[in-house]
Amino acid sequence: KNEVEQSPQNLTAQEGEFITINCSYSVGISALHWLQQHPGGGIVSLFMLSSGKKKHGRLIATINIQEKHSSLHITASHPRDSAVYICAVPYSGGGADGLTFGKGTHLIIQP
Amino acid sequence: DAGVIQSPRHEVTEMGQEVTLRCKPISGHNSLFWYRQTMMRGLELLIYFNNNVPIDDSGMPEDRFSAKMPNASFSTLKIQPSEPRDSAVYFCASSSTSGYSYEQYFGPGTRLTVT
Repeated sequence: KNEVEQSPQNLTAQEGEFITINCSYSVGISALHWLQQHPGGGIVSLFMLSSGKKKHGRLIATINIQEKHSSLHITASHPRDSAVYICAVPYSGGGADGLTFGKGTHLIIQP
Repeated sequence: DAGVIQSPRHEVTEMGQEVTLRCKPISGHNSLFWYRQTMMRGLELLIYFNNNVPIDDSGMPEDRFSAKMPNASFSTLKIQPSEPRDSAVYFCASSSTSGYSYEQYFGPGTRLTVT
């Protein structure tokens, strides 16, 4: 079964700063998911990636399959980016599997 | 598209009562997942279905939990009898395996409180 480690657990930054959240996993995978959850809110899929890099607006996700590591970057951070960011991978590596999750990174962006 | 629909959104019940949570996946999706989120344990996979067939239920905590998917548009998660430690937010998610997309779409969750 895959295990997921995320860091940092908590991150407070000033508006405009460049943010990096890291994720490592133990078993080879077909794809990795980055999710966002606002306080008391639902879960939104930000990225699903299996190689290289993806970009949506100010969010960038990268993955290194050989090193079993992914990063989520936020450029020009804004208070509305404050949320919990969760890394998730298929629990046994296969794309259609259920997910196993990191503990999440609680991000607060101060104005 | 309405997205994944879950009901009820909030449920408060007394210990020992039966609780049934419901989920309607996105039309055309053939995989359905039940997850549970608690402060202590974070998000955990309970069970998932592919083409209405349960694939892995190893995450179901104990025999008090059961899940069914009688057709492609409906699934239930039942807890009988409920206990205070079952208090959590239960999320349903769906995805499509066609085209090897596998992106999961989450419902809004059901917040369960067992007193």
